[in-house]
Amino acid sequence: GAVVSQHPSRVICKSGTSVKIECRSLDFQATTMFWYRQFPKKSLMLMATSNEGSKATYEQGVEKDKFLINHASLTLSTLTVTSAHPEDSSFYICSARVSQGNYGYTFGSGTRLTVV
Amino acid sequence: SQELEQSPQSLIVQEGKNLTINCTSSKTLYGLYWYKQKYGEGLIFLMMLQKGGEEKSHEKITAKLDEKKQQSSLHITASQPSHAGIYLCGADRTGTASKLTFGTGTRLQVTL
Repeated sequence: GAVVSQHPSRVICKSGTSVKIECRSLDFQATTMFWYRQFPKKSLMLMATSNEGSKATYEQGVEKDKFLINHASLTLSTLTVTSAHPEDSSFYICSARVSQGNYGYTFGSGTRLTVV
Repeated sequence: SQELEQSPQSLIVQEGKNLTINCTSSKTLYGLYWYKQKYGEGLIFLMMLQKGGEEKSHEKITAKLDEKKQQSSLHITASQPSHAGIYLCGADRTGTASKLTFGTGTRLQVTL
């Protein structure tokens, strides 16, 4: 149980375009989801906390207008990278907190974004 | 500055050897999580520790949280190639389970 599905797993886009990444909780409701970014050979950096039905909470230094987060339902959060540039190329991972069992937080499989 | 420090940053061990990875915080940890990641993939949950002095084991992996709840160690016994990957400690430092932030990571390679 407690599975988070992230899509797409890989995406290549042109500079200046926008890309949407989806994160779905498959067998549980997630009122809160988290978005992380991971640079090569680095740890995960928390970008923002996505709250169902309200605005996301962004970490310091993360551009709200660049990384748009929408959490319109209890099972879906989306991250849109707007006007993407090559420096936005990275590995993005979503997570949801699991209240039941002993999982703590469960993670999606990640999305590798390449901006050309 | 990084608030969760992991050591070592990387580790190469021979198959069958034991190893320990440490995760240290300057602040009290209300929840300490250990995950494993294959490069370019998602995170696999290993263990969660909440109480000072707590110790948990799963197969050949044991994790401990010290009494002061500021340091955790992950110990692998008789390492295997399948143990290779990036080990990440994550912490809830607010006590409200509001968000999880991660340590610097430890890259483990297991040689034959």
